[in-house]
Amino acid sequence: EAQVTQNPRYLITVTGKKLTVTCSQNMNHEYMSWYRQDPGLGLRQIYYSMNVEVTDKGDVPEGYKVSRKEKRNFPLILESPSPNQTSLYFCASAIIRGISYEQYFGPGTRLTVT
Amino acid sequence: QKEVEQDPGPLSVPEGAIVSLNCTYSNSAFQYFMWYRQYSRKGPELLMYTYSSGNKEDGRFTAQVDKSSKYISLFIRDSQPSDSATYLCAMSASTGNQFYFGTGTSLTVIP
Repeated sequence: EAQVTQNPRYLITVTGKKLTVTCSQNMNHEYMSWYRQDPGLGLRQIYYSMNVEVTDKGDVPEGYKVSRKEKRNFPLILESPSPNQTSLYFCASAIIRGISYEQYFGPGTRLTVT
Repeated sequence: QKEVEQDPGPLSVPEGAIVSLNCTYSNSAFQYFMWYRQYSRKGPELLMYTYSSGNKEDGRFTAQVDKSSKYISLFIRDSQPSDSATYLCAMSASTGNQFYFGTGTSLTVIP
């Protein structure tokens, strides 16, 4: 089954404790991305990657790191989480073929930082 | 000014009604337009994808893009209670580039 998977789905942590949220896709998509979703603010892009070893900042990159060492994986790293990073996080991947640029989302990771 | 504006609703309609959802945008470079449906506690699900201007139909759903007015629409015919969700518009200027989302419109279809 074609899908984007994220782990963990739920995470409660404390301020300053480094964490990683994994993301993997099995569709051989070139493009991968991370978003956060907050009430009233909608989906905001954190980082995106066009290909292996290529990453770009989105609208809200501060406090986050990403890496793209393999095409299928795109982990999100919070080196020192803070309470304002409490949010619902989505990983997504997109096919890029001709005029096709359709993005598909994972199930989400709900992060609470206390 | 936000890149993408979307009326948050909420929108409540009776079953069988035609629903119209809209987004406006400011960046004339946008060429790729998408509509997503998001149920509570779930990830957004791609409903419709359109490249450049024009209409696209898929079952009860029709997506329209008017680039001259910087305006996109999603129409849902014969709405069903299962259509109750939040609908998000999204767009991008070029492949490999950033996506911009509206804040979403909450829709409830009443049986």
